[in-house]
Amino acid sequence: DADVTQTPRNRITKTGKRIMLECSQTKGHDRMYWYRQDPGLGLRLIYYSFDVKDINKGEISDGYSVSRQAQAKFSLSLESAIPNQTALYFCATSDLWRGEQFFGPGTRLTVL
Amino acid sequence: ELKVEQNPLFLSMQEGKNYTIYCNYSTTSDRLYWYRQDPGKSLESLFVLLSNGAVKQEGRLMASLDTKARLSTLHITAAVHDLSATYFCAVDKMNNNAGNMLTFGGGTRLMVKP
Repeated sequence: DADVTQTPRNRITKTGKRIMLECSQTKGHDRMYWYRQDPGLGLRLIYYSFDVKDINKGEISDGYSVSRQAQAKFSLSLESAIPNQTALYFCATSDLWRGEQFFGPGTRLTVL
Repeated sequence: ELKVEQNPLFLSMQEGKNYTIYCNYSTTSDRLYWYRQDPGKSLESLFVLLSNGAVKQEGRLMASLDTKARLSTLHITAAVHDLSATYFCAVDKMNNNAGNMLTFGGGTRLMVKP
């Protein structure tokens, strides 16, 4: 079984709709992250959480919100989706000592 | 603000050849990571470099870190088609065990041709 899972894997929605992307992990890591990937731009950090009570904005948090429901679960919400939020979204976790991040399979989101 | 630049952005090479991908970053950090991404897939961790002078090798890939020059290299030896992918470097902005935040380079798309 995958250590970091994301649901849904693909989603097409319309402008103005509320969308939630979910991430679960079985790695036992405290730190979790949400990234967005656009072609040619690498990955950009949206939000991160170092433990259940800790939530921090990343470099591109406008238009997004997150919820850390448990150590293993970190959800990303788009309150009112817009077309320029069309992208590939990745969840990641990291370990304490090496800081190595482990990525989920990604969610491809299309906003029409 | 930490900036991470990779070059080249695109690399087409023949099988059997050697080449190096460069990753430059703008502020002090001792922690740098290399990832591989196949088209439509997730990122796979390749190397974790945690100190100046660190060198790691796996098969035909070797990564090194020079923190004084703020430079990491990913060297490809005798390339094979299976190495075709996009390679990302990422630098840890926080640089301590309290947490880590990665800033990614834009990626190098590698195509290895027969």
